[in-house]
Amino acid sequence: GAVVSQHPSRVICKSGTSVKIECRSLDFQATTMFWYRQFPKQSLMLMATSNEGSKATYEQGVEKDKFLINHASLTLSTLTVTSAHPEDSSFYICSATMRDRGTGEQFFGPGTRLTVL
Amino acid sequence: QQQVKQSPQSLIVQKGGISIINCAYENTAFDYFPWYQQFPGKGPALLIAIRPDVSEKKEGRFTISFNKSAKQFSLHIMDSQPGDSATYFCAARDYNTDKLIFGTGTRLQVFP
Repeated sequence: GAVVSQHPSRVICKSGTSVKIECRSLDFQATTMFWYRQFPKQSLMLMATSNEGSKATYEQGVEKDKFLINHASLTLSTLTVTSAHPEDSSFYICSATMRDRGTGEQFFGPGTRLTVL
Repeated sequence: QQQVKQSPQSLIVQKGGISIINCAYENTAFDYFPWYQQFPGKGPALLIAIRPDVSEKKEGRFTISFNKSAKQFSLHIMDSQPGDSATYFCAARDYNTDKLIFGTGTRLQVFP
């Protein structure tokens, strides 16, 4: 149980285009979903926190107009990278906490590798 | 205060040896301390986690030691295997925000 999926696993796009990444909790309802970005050989950096039906909360330095997060249901959150540029190339990872289990445990997705040409 | 300091940055261990990774924190609002294992190109996977009311937790070859007064915790991997070669991250959850703060990571290489 507690599986989180991401789609796509890998995407290559041209500079200036927008890319949408989906994060789904497959077998549980997620109270909160988190989006992280990881550059090569670096740690995970939290970008934003989203709760179903409400606006995402962005970390300092993360442009909310560039990284659009929609959390439409208890099992789906999407991250849209708008007008992507080469510096947005990174590994994007989502995680989710399980509703009704206040342990703080986050279940991570497999990640999405974004390459902007 | 929100940082989690992790060391060493990299670690080379011979097969069968013990791998030890250390983390330290300052924030007293941290109430959950997980360790994640990450292979290249994959998302992090929970390895083992501990809460501050326990000083040690063991699961198979993996043990967390937790020192609440020193605000330090460590991961011990006994009988290290080449398949354990990966990057390990410690983390701490802030119970006020539910956010996980990650350490900088340790790249472990286990040689046969």
